[in-house]
Amino acid sequence: DVVMTQTPLSSPVTLGQPASISCRSSQSLVHSDGNTYLSWLQQRPGQPPRLLIYQISNRFSGVPDRFSGSGTGTDFTLKISRVEAEDVGVYYCMEGTQWAFGQGTRLEIK
Amino acid sequence: EVQLVESGGGLVQPGGSLRLSCAASGFNFSADWMSWVRQAPGKGLEWVAKINPDGREQYYVDSMKGRFSISRDNAKNSLYLRMNTLRAEDTAMYYCARDVWYRLEYWGQGTLVTVSS
Repeated sequence: DVVMTQTPLSSPVTLGQPASISCRSSQSLVHSDGNTYLSWLQQRPGQPPRLLIYQISNRFSGVPDRFSGSGTGTDFTLKISRVEAEDVGVYYCMEGTQWAFGQGTRLEIK
Repeated sequence: EVQLVESGGGLVQPGGSLRLSCAASGFNFSADWMSWVRQAPGKGLEWVAKINPDGREQYYVDSMKGRFSISRDNAKNSLYLRMNTLRAEDTAMYYCARDVWYRLEYWGQGTLVTVSS
């Protein structure tokens, strides 16, 4: 079974500054169809998760362009170019064909 | 607007059963895969089960096989999760989600299941 490991587990960030979250998988996430089904989810306090990024780098509908995803194979990154107060919450990476979630990274404001 | 509304959660004794429902609207429900994902209090996300559009294919996380059953009624735009032989460790918020090309595009607000005597 694939294991998704996120770092850091907690990230204090100053408003307006960038933030970066890493997700590493225990095996390559390239699917047999050539795609990589790596997504990023945001969960604000008291809210359900929300899809931000799918297939490594595609922003979902309504997601601000300060969010971006990158990576390949086993290493992936979510970046927020300038953190805003509404970005506080827990971020999860997810691999959709193997039912795997990362353990979550808590983003908080310094 | 896509809406997913879960219901059916509550307090149940260990060994008991519960049936969760998810009412879908704002999209072509009968054309999409659907999933249940749960989150224990203060913990991360855990996939529970998923079902194909016509309901004939169901998949479960190994730890829940045999105890949980996912189903759907496309005429009612509804998704279900039948949970039997519940244990304390099944205590969680249960979310339904629209599962499109291996991404969970929309999530409901969740329904809380508490297993306790």
